[in-house]
Amino acid sequence: DTAVSQTPKYLVTQMGNDKSIKCEQNLGHDTMYWYKQDSKKFLKIMFSYNNKELIINETVPNRFSPKSPDKAHLNLHINSLELGDSAVYFCASSPGSGNNNQPQHFGDGTRLSIL
Amino acid sequence: LAKTTQPISMDSYEGQEVNITCSHNNIATNDYITWYQQFPSQGPRFIIQGYKTKVKNEVASLFIPADRKSSTLSLPRVSLSDTAVYYCLVAVGGSQGNLIFGKGTKLSVKP
Repeated sequence: DTAVSQTPKYLVTQMGNDKSIKCEQNLGHDTMYWYKQDSKKFLKIMFSYNNKELIINETVPNRFSPKSPDKAHLNLHINSLELGDSAVYFCASSPGSGNNNQPQHFGDGTRLSIL
Repeated sequence: LAKTTQPISMDSYEGQEVNITCSHNNIATNDYITWYQQFPSQGPRFIIQGYKTKVKNEVASLFIPADRKSSTLSLPRVSLSDTAVYYCLVAVGGSQGNLIFGKGTKLSVKP
């Protein structure tokens, strides 16, 4: 069973569209994250949620809105997609109550391509 | 916030020991140091974590000097399958911590 699963794996869409990426973890972890990895392979955190509450919100355009219906899910909705949004988006989870010293488990990423 | 610096790339041969150093000059008292490995088309995978001195597991060793301004990931006897990107992460402890990954070191292991 996949511990952290993201869907879809690939997403190709037009500029200006709205899209969502889903993430689910079956590890029983309390904290989940979204990261963006650009073409230069820089891995940057976007959001972190602990038990459905936002605990980290880096400088991300408000077109990006995370939603956590329960602690096993953290979805990422993106409005008005732009060319610069093209990247690989990784979901991750970790145990504990938001203490960032805990090792994280990552999904295999969603490759978003904007045409 | 502590930032990290790693070499962009390293080359090695099978069977050699590889040491990758990460600099984190501004590391704070409660920061931990974590290393991840990433293969193409996969998410990063946890390798090892430490706070000070030396940590060892079945995969790697992590050396952290007393001033904690750097850390060295040591991979013993690498194989071709160790070809990957290795990230150093300095995590600030506490519920309001921020996570800053280094830019990664691309390790290429040759036969």
